[in-house]
Order: sequence, then C-alpha cells, then structure tokens
Amino acid sequence: GENVEQHPSTLSVQEGDSAVIKCTYSDSASNYFPWYKQELGKRPQLIIDIRSNVGEKKDQRIAVTLNKTAKHFSLHITETQPEDSAVYFCAAPYRGGTSYGKLTFGQGTILTVHP
Amino acid sequence: NAGVMQNPRHLVRRRGQEARLRCSPMKGHSHVYWYRQLPEEGLKFMVYLQKENIIDESGMPKERFSAEFPKEGPSILRIQQVVRGDSAAYFCASSPDKINIQYFGAGTRLSVL
Repeated sequence: GENVEQHPSTLSVQEGDSAVIKCTYSDSASNYFPWYKQELGKRPQLIIDIRSNVGEKKDQRIAVTLNKTAKHFSLHITETQPEDSAVYFCAAPYRGGTSYGKLTFGQGTILTVHP
Repeated sequence: NAGVMQNPRHLVRRRGQEARLRCSPMKGHSHVYWYRQLPEEGLKFMVYLQKENIIDESGMPKERFSAEFPKEGPSILRIQQVVRGDSAAYFCASSPDKINIQYFGAGTRLSVL
C-alpha cells in the first residue's frame, strides 16, 4: 500500500514568515495529492490539492509543489497569520487493486504562528 | 448544498455496548470513506463504500466493526461490544466519483467509559 511520511511534526514561525511542510510517498502510481487543515476539534478541511500532470499550484498565500521523480510534495504558506495555526495533513491515494480512492495520510504537522 | 453530515457529534458508551455512527454524504456523492483519528494522531483509513457495496474494508478490524451504505439512507459504521480502545474521533468523507477529492464531515467523537 501507500506510505506517506510528513515532516516536520511541529513548526513554529513568526507572523509574516513563510512555512514549508514536506511529504514523501511510496506509490509511484499516485496521481493526486491533497492537503488538509484541521483546527482543534474540527473537521479536516481541504485547502489545496495537486494532480500529477502539474508541478506547482498556487492559491493566494498557499502553494503546493510536486516532484514526481523524487516522489515528494510540499505545502508552502507565505505571509503566515495567527489563524493559520492548525494541524496540516498531506495525503496520497492508494491506487492498488480495486480500492481507487482511499487516502493515506501523513502524520500531521502542528503549525504555530506567533503574533 | 449541505456538506457531509455526521451524527451524533458526541457519543458516550459503556464497555460492551454498541455504537452506531451515521454519515450522510454530500448531495450527488456516491462514494463514502470512514477514517478513525486517535487523540493527537493522524487519520487512519477504515472502509470505503459505494451504494450497497463495500469496496475496501482493509483498514477495519475484523471483529466487532461493520459498515454499510444502503440504497436509501445514510452510511452506518457499527461497533459492537465497544472497548476503551475504541474511543476516538470517527470521520466520514464523501466524494462524487473516483477523482479523489474527499470532503469530510464534522466527525463523531466516541467515548467509551
């Protein structure tokens, strides 16, 4: 199955700085990579995703880059704000067998943005 | 368009009782996924269902756990004879097809006393 490794486990930045979270995956057939943000006690919310036919995608202060050769993808948050503080999860789908869509999640990164 | 609806939001059970968790996918979504999240841990896949079919239950314990997604009504995750180790948040996600975009419900937080 798919194995997803996420680093770092915790990240502390000052407001206005950039934050980068990295993930690696094992299944070379994976072609879809979402990022979720989860605030304490809340549901995971999709914030950005990327498909394997592009190398980068940007949405305002958030961007995701993908390196299929190296099998890693990264989340970039610029001009961080205190409300960006949350746990961020990367994920990749396992494409094996008949299970087309189940997601394997990384371990999560606790991002803290200090005012 | 209402999002993924889960109920109850909180469920307290004593050891040995049964827990039934419900999930109504977003309108037009026929793919449902259940994940379990232990405190301060990530999301672990449990089961993937389409209407009336279990597609993949490789993440679900073989005993005490079952899931269904009937033709009419919500998807149900059922845990029989609950134990303290079942205490967790259970999230349901749905997607419209196999394009993988999954939207999550608010979760059911199960506490076993």
